[in-house]
Amino acid sequence: GDSVTQTEGPVTVSESESLIINCTYSATSIAYPNLFWYVRYPGEGLQLLLKVITAGQKGSSRGFEATYNKETTSFHLQKASVQESDSAVYYCALGGYNTNTGKLTFGDGTVLTVKP
Amino acid sequence: DTTVKQNPRYKLARVGKPVNLICSQTMNHDTMYWYQKKPNQAPKLLLFYYDKILNREADTFEKFQSSRPNNSFCSLYIGSAGLEYSAMYLCASSSGTGDEQYFGPGTRLTVL
Repeated sequence: GDSVTQTEGPVTVSESESLIINCTYSATSIAYPNLFWYVRYPGEGLQLLLKVITAGQKGSSRGFEATYNKETTSFHLQKASVQESDSAVYYCALGGYNTNTGKLTFGDGTVLTVKP
Repeated sequence: DTTVKQNPRYKLARVGKPVNLICSQTMNHDTMYWYQKKPNQAPKLLLFYYDKILNREADTFEKFQSSRPNNSFCSLYIGSAGLEYSAMYLCASSSGTGDEQYFGPGTRLTVL
């Protein structure tokens, strides 16, 4: 079946340091996978951070970037300089046009804490 | 308005009793989803409605029911709660295949 594996947390970095959260996927039932990063800030619901639907393309939002690499089946999340407000749980997710719905397969999430 | 609302936010239930959770959205999305989220685990899809058609995941088929009386509302129903049902339940909606899903804040269910 489809699966997503991401960096096990918790991850702790200091403010202004760089960040990478790894994500790899296996899309056995989806012909054209779409890849997403969702984020859950403390006290809030899951929200989309960025998405990329075309292999080779890069998505970006709030200083975060992720490139859809079909060869390595990866979608790593990166940020050059994190802020304390980036502390949250980050989920990599796989979706697509399978069965005419937007069913998502999530990774287990990575808890990020940014120290001031 | 891109808000998905869920009620209640917290639910306490007794083993063997029924539970009904409610979700609503006003974005006219054709698809609504229910996920179960346990600590340190990925959100797990339970079922979804595409328009009026209910699709339940094979491994949770008998444990959860749902209804969608109109485009805006969707419920999740547990006929007889067990301890293993304690979790966060997330509702989401989307328009179009592969599109962004908008999530509600979740309902935290505790079964005692």
